[in-house]
Amino acid sequence: RKEVEQDPGPFNVPEGATVAFNCTYSNSASQSFFWYRQDCRKEPKLLMSVYSSGNEDGRFTAQLNRASQYISLLIRDSKLSDSATYLCVVKGGGSQGNLIFGKGTKLSVKP
Amino acid sequence: GAVVSQHPSWVICKSGTSVKIECRSLDFQATTMFWYRQFPKQSLMLMATSNEGSKATYEQGVEKDKFLINHASLTLSTLTVTSAHPEDSSFYICSARGWRGPSGREQYFGPGTRLTVT
Repeated sequence: RKEVEQDPGPFNVPEGATVAFNCTYSNSASQSFFWYRQDCRKEPKLLMSVYSSGNEDGRFTAQLNRASQYISLLIRDSKLSDSATYLCVVKGGGSQGNLIFGKGTKLSVKP
Repeated sequence: GAVVSQHPSWVICKSGTSVKIECRSLDFQATTMFWYRQFPKQSLMLMATSNEGSKATYEQGVEKDKFLINHASLTLSTLTVTSAHPEDSSFYICSARGWRGPSGREQYFGPGTRLTVT
């Protein structure tokens, strides 16, 4: 089983749509969880951290289910500028834990 | 603004030559630097981790004699791809981790270097 698994997509949605991405991770000792955004031929950029209590940042909502080892990202009222690849990232346990990246889910928002 | 820079941003070289990529943390001291490689439509794969002043730790399957990493100072790490071949063509991204103001100890990514070996 891969350490971090995501549906590669692509997700093609119209502007204004709500879209949800899911991710599962295999290491139950993982400590921290993130969603990154990567534009074509660019470096990944941190979108938001993910907490068990859930967190919201504007149109973006992230959720973590530790029992199921499942992470989600919800984008509401999607914009053209949201088109990108969304990477699910898990950090291993301990202070030196490394970031493990999923392959990413590609989102394309159409007018 | 950017907190980690990479140079060059892209490079084309001939097979058999060596290429050096620099990674700098701009306004903080990076105690740890990471080098990743990303092939098209693939995830970022960690190649190696380096701590300032010590030898890099390479991930399984990454040849340490081919990918030379030097982390000589708290703000600079270099990756040298020796005797590059077309299969080494990829997007190389560095990342630096250290204490940076109120944000605490976080990991920041450089803009990446696109290497094409002909």
